[in-house]
Amino acid sequence: QKEVEQDPGPLSVPEGAIVSLNCTYSNSAFQYFMWYRQYSRKGPELLMYTYSSGNKEDGRFTAQVDKSSKYISLFIRDSQPSDSATYLCAMSPWGDDMRFGAGTRLTVKP
Amino acid sequence: GAVVSQHPSWVICKSGTSVKIECRSLDFQATTMFWYRQFPKQSLMLMATSNEGSKATYEQGVEKDKFLINHASLTLSTLTVTSAHPEDSSFYICSARDGGNRDEQYFGPGTRLTVT
Repeated sequence: QKEVEQDPGPLSVPEGAIVSLNCTYSNSAFQYFMWYRQYSRKGPELLMYTYSSGNKEDGRFTAQVDKSSKYISLFIRDSQPSDSATYLCAMSPWGDDMRFGAGTRLTVKP
Repeated sequence: GAVVSQHPSWVICKSGTSVKIECRSLDFQATTMFWYRQFPKQSLMLMATSNEGSKATYEQGVEKDKFLINHASLTLSTLTVTSAHPEDSSFYICSARDGGNRDEQYFGPGTRLTVT
């Protein structure tokens, strides 16, 4: 079993839709949870960063962590074509040494 | 925000030759740098962690004699792929951790290596 599981998609939604991206994990030591966005042929960029459980909101993005279920989510409201990218979840026990999910490829159609 | 650069952005080399990839933190001191490899449509795989002035720590399954990492200064780490083979063709990405902000890593733009 992989430490981090993420459905690779692809996921296609119409513009304006709410997007839900999810990851599950098996290592209960993970405390730091991150979401990265990666455009084609580019390095990943950090979108959201949360520590332990709870929700965090930043503009159209909301990250949720449920440590009891070992499940994290990223919600994108009012999705835009510019949100089309691959979204990677990552997690770590100490803040570094991250383990990444496979990435979900998202396409937002105008 | 913090900027990490990589050079070159892409490189094509012949089988058997060695290739060096540089990773620089441009506006902060990186006490720790990480090297990742990414295969097409797959996630990032951590190859090694390097701390300035000490030997890199390699992940299981990564050949340290093949992927030489040097972290000679607080702003520069290099990855040298020695005796490259076509199966080494991949996208290599570095990240750097800001010594003043323990929890934040900043990624470079990546280097695409093609070995012919």
